[in-house]
Amino acid sequence: GAVVSQHPSWVICKSGTSVKIECRSLDFQATTMFWYRQFPKQSLMLMATSNEGSKATYEQGVEKDKFLINHASLTLSTLTVTSAHPEDSSFYICSARVEKKQADTQYFGPGTRLTVL
Amino acid sequence: AQSVTQLGSHVSVSEGALVLLRCNYSSSVPPYLFWYVQYPNQGLQLLLKYTTGATLVKGINGFEAEFKKSETSFHLTKPSAHMSDAAEYFCAVTLYSSASKIIFGSGTRLSIRP
Repeated sequence: GAVVSQHPSWVICKSGTSVKIECRSLDFQATTMFWYRQFPKQSLMLMATSNEGSKATYEQGVEKDKFLINHASLTLSTLTVTSAHPEDSSFYICSARVEKKQADTQYFGPGTRLTVL
Repeated sequence: AQSVTQLGSHVSVSEGALVLLRCNYSSSVPPYLFWYVQYPNQGLQLLLKYTTGATLVKGINGFEAEFKKSETSFHLTKPSAHMSDAAEYFCAVTLYSSASKIIFGSGTRLSIRP
C-alpha cells in the first residue's frame, strides 16, 4: 500500500527558532499533499494544500509567512514553522494524494509532534 | 458547505460487545464519506470509505458503515469489540474525491472495557 513518512517524528525547539518538517511519499508520486494541525484531544484542521511545482493554497486564518510550504518534487513536501512560539506547539500531520480512477485516496503520515519551549 | 458531526466524544463498550460510533454529515451534493482511526501519537489510518454504489461498506478490522442518505448518516459499527480497537475514530466528508479537502468530525474516543 501507499506509505507516507514524516521526519522528524518529534522535535523540541526554543522560541524564536524555525523548524522544518518533511513529508515523503515512499512508494508513489504525489502531485498534491496536505498539511494538517491537530491540538490535543481535537480533530485535524487543514492548514494548506501543497501542489508540486506551484505555490501552496492556505486555509483561511493560516499565516502563509509563518508556515512555509515547499513541494519541490513529486515525493517531498516540507513545512517550515518560522519563528516558532509556544502556541505553535501541536501535532502536525501530512497526507499525500494517490490518483485513482475511482476516487482518489489520501494517505496520512505518522505525524510530527512539535514542542516549542 | 460541508460539515460532519460525531455524536459522543467518548464511547465505552465491553470487550465482545457491539461498537456503534455515530456520524451525521451535511452536504449540498452527494458526498464521499470516510472513517479513519488514530492510535496514540500516530497518524490516521483509513478504515473504510463510501464513494458510490453499495451503501453498506466493509472496511478493515471487521468494521463496516452504512450510508443512509435519508438520515444523512454514516455510522460505524463492529459486531464484537476487541481490546485493540481502543483508539480515536474520525468521520470525514469530502466532495467528489479525496483530492478535495477532507473535513473531519471532532472525533470519538473508543474505550474497551475488559
